[in-house]
Amino acid sequence: KNQVEQSPQSLIILEGKNCTLQCNYTVSPFSNLRWYKQDTGRGPVSLTIMTFSENTKSNGRYTATLDADTKQSSLHITASQLSDSASYICVVSRYSGGGADGLTFGKGTHLIIQP
Amino acid sequence: DAEITQSPRHKITETGRQVTLACHQTWNHNNMFWYRQDLGHGLRLIHYSYGVQDTNKGEVSDGYSVSRSNTEDLPLTLESAASSQTSVYFCASRSGSSNEQFFGPGTRLTVL
Repeated sequence: KNQVEQSPQSLIILEGKNCTLQCNYTVSPFSNLRWYKQDTGRGPVSLTIMTFSENTKSNGRYTATLDADTKQSSLHITASQLSDSASYICVVSRYSGGGADGLTFGKGTHLIIQP
Repeated sequence: DAEITQSPRHKITETGRQVTLACHQTWNHNNMFWYRQDLGHGLRLIHYSYGVQDTNKGEVSDGYSVSRSNTEDLPLTLESAASSQTSVYFCASRSGSSNEQFFGPGTRLTVL
């Protein structure tokens, strides 16, 4: 069964600290993996996309890694800011081009940044 | 700027009533999707459309319907609202060349 598991479910850290969110998947065949950020009361917004051949990709203070062999991804946030408080959702696509039935969503990690 | 909008943003209705949630996008995307998001479940696909007159069922389609009469709109209808359909509903769209979905702001629906 195609599944995406995220950990931790929730996380609280102090402003300025770093944190790492995990995503493990069993989706096959793998096409790509996206991390979305969802602010409270808003729709998700894509942060990064990673394909099979990519190990690391950065978007400002966000750095995503992918290990296609172990089927694991992580999202590292450096020097956290209050605006990073949000849910982070890992989404894995089974084949290129997407298609509604090609996406498997994780349940998300709820991150709270405390001043 | 292109965008995707949903209306209403909040809706309270009673069990058994028909409810329609609107979704409008100006990206000119052929592909549109409806999801519901519930605590502990993440986003679950309700219906999707790959173009005008095309509609497809997702994993949680029972009790919902959609129609696609033009590129810009994909309204979601709850034929007879049930309390189990209390949720936050998100509409999304994407182009044919990418799997990045652009999400609307969501509609919070409460069925009493």
